[in-house]
Formats: sequence, structure tokens, C-alpha cells
Amino acid sequence: EDQVTQSPEALRLQEGESSSLNCSYTVSGLRGLFWYRQDPGKGPEFLFTLYSAGEEKEKERLKATLTKKESFLHITAPKPEDSATYLCAVQALSNAGNMLTFGGGTRLMVKP
Amino acid sequence: DSGVTQTPKHLITATGQRVTLRCSPRSGDLSVYWYQQSLDQGLQFLIQYYNGEERAKGNILERFSAQQFPDLHSELNLSSLELGDSALYFCASSTRPGRNRNTGELFFGEGSRLTVL
Repeated sequence: EDQVTQSPEALRLQEGESSSLNCSYTVSGLRGLFWYRQDPGKGPEFLFTLYSAGEEKEKERLKATLTKKESFLHITAPKPEDSATYLCAVQALSNAGNMLTFGGGTRLMVKP
Repeated sequence: DSGVTQTPKHLITATGQRVTLRCSPRSGDLSVYWYQQSLDQGLQFLIQYYNGEERAKGNILERFSAQQFPDLHSELNLSSLELGDSALYFCASSTRPGRNRNTGELFFGEGSRLTVL
């Protein structure tokens, strides 16, 4: 069974204080690993797709990296508007369709 | 705005009742997915439809059913409701798989919040 574990569950940062969010996964053949952002009362919003170990993707203050067992979402000099829940999900090669298995998320709070 | 429309946004009902949640995917998207999000379970995949046919099934209860219509909108039917069914129900859509490697890029609606009393 595919499993995704995210840590920490919650993270408080001061504006400008860089940090990383962790996503550990077990999957029977990885088709892709995905990062989403979810604001309160909204649906998740797609951020990145990573397909193979060593791959990196960047968007503004966010950078996602992938190894064979985990992914990191690095947040450089965060701003209050980066406050949200960040979700990691995996898609297995064996999946029929395109279903994603999500982790529990990391709730990020950035204080000014 | 993701382009995915869900109705109703909020729904309060009693145990034992039946409700229908509706989803209109982004224009041109053939796949529709239903997810349930609760505080203790996180986002759980329920079911996927592709161009009217069931494509994949997750942890969907037998009391729940879904379908996708010829105009590609989808409905999720929840019956014999229990307190534990209270959750946010999200619909998502995606482009045709196979031509775009980003098969995991889903576009989510804003959800339907179901409260069962």
C-alpha cells in the first residue's frame, strides 16, 4: 500500500527565516511526486511535479527536491503570504487512472 | 479560480439522509476525481471517472456512488449518512492522460462542506 508521511505537522517561521518541509513516501514504483498548496477553505493548488531522484523544481521562494525515499520543499526567506498547508502526494506506476495518495500536510505559518 | 465548480458549498443534513454533490470540471477536461478531506484522515481518494466511465476506485463506501454524465459534469451521491461522513468533499479535474506527463496535476474545486447532525 502506498504511504506518504509529512513532517512536521505544523511549522511556525518568522518572515525571512528559511526552512524545509519533509515528505517521506513508500510506493510500488513511483510515477510522480507532487506538491500542492492549500489555503483555508480552498481546494489544493498544484505547485510541482517531480519524476525521478535528483530532480529539482523551483518557483519563486519554493524549491522541491526528490530522492528515492523522500522529497523536500525548501522555503527561502518566506513571507506571510506563504502561510498555507503544503500537501505532498504520490502517484504509483501500478495505479489505474491517475489517483494520488496524499500525505497529511504541513501547516506553515509565517509571522511578519 | 481553478475552473472547477462545485455545488453546494455548504450542506447540513441529518443522519440517515441522502445528498447529492455536483461538480463541473474545467472546460475540456475529461477526467473527474472525488476526494474526501476530514481532520483525522486527510485527503482520501474516492473515485475517478474518465469520459463517462469509471477509471479508478479508492476507499469509497458502498453507501456512496458517483457518475459522470455525457456533458462531463459529475455527481457524488451519499446515502444513509452517518456523523462520520461529515467532511469536505472535493472534486478535481485533469487533462487527458498520456499526452502530458503531468498526469498528477489536478485542478480542484473549492469543495462542498457536508455536516451531518
